[in-house]
Amino acid sequence: DAKTTQPTSMDCAEGRAANLPCNHSTISGNEYVYWYRQIHSQGPQYIIHGLKNNETNEMASLIITEDRKSSTLILPHATLRDTAVYYCIVRVQGGKLIFGQGTELSVKP
Amino acid sequence: GAGVSQTPSNKVTEKGKYVELRCDPISGHTALYWYRQSLGQGPEFLIYFQGTGAADDSGLPNDRFFAVRPEGSVSTLKIQRTERGDSAVYLCASSPGRTTGELFFGEGSRLTVL
Repeated sequence: DAKTTQPTSMDCAEGRAANLPCNHSTISGNEYVYWYRQIHSQGPQYIIHGLKNNETNEMASLIITEDRKSSTLILPHATLRDTAVYYCIVRVQGGKLIFGQGTELSVKP
Repeated sequence: GAGVSQTPSNKVTEKGKYVELRCDPISGHTALYWYRQSLGQGPEFLIYFQGTGAADDSGLPNDRFFAVRPEGSVSTLKIQRTERGDSAVYLCASSPGRTTGELFFGEGSRLTVL
């Protein structure tokens, strides 16, 4: 599975959009981009995934560049409860999820 | 409950002892995963079951670690001759099948080896 690169940490003001970047320059054509988050002392939680097209659900939006070498997870109106570590993972269908270090997002009042 | 259940939530043991950690997946989920997470690190894959069989055990660190899922539901992770380096949170996840990457994780079992 392709490796991903994420910033170690980010801050965001409450109520503002949180934009979390991820680089996956070696992604293969059959690999999906997945995002999970982990709130302190809890298990990881699935957020969203996509292959080529942008995706949106009730939690977030996922923007994937046309060349698929990078993506951005957008939390449109961040709240204090969104403070967590966010993991960007690339995975071939049927493959295992390999977590990296993730981005520690701090949402501040 | 409807989620993945893991027991015990906390386990403290002495070096050299044997430990079992249990995972009760979401009903009907055929795929079950074990991960472990050390402080400040992302979850590390250990083993994956599809039904009763271990489809991928490439993440098990050595032969002290073993996992079973005899009836395709509950799984037990077994650690023999525990070492201090085994101290971590052991996470279990389940999903409806192999193709989906949407895993549902439990709260984890925190293992401390003294």
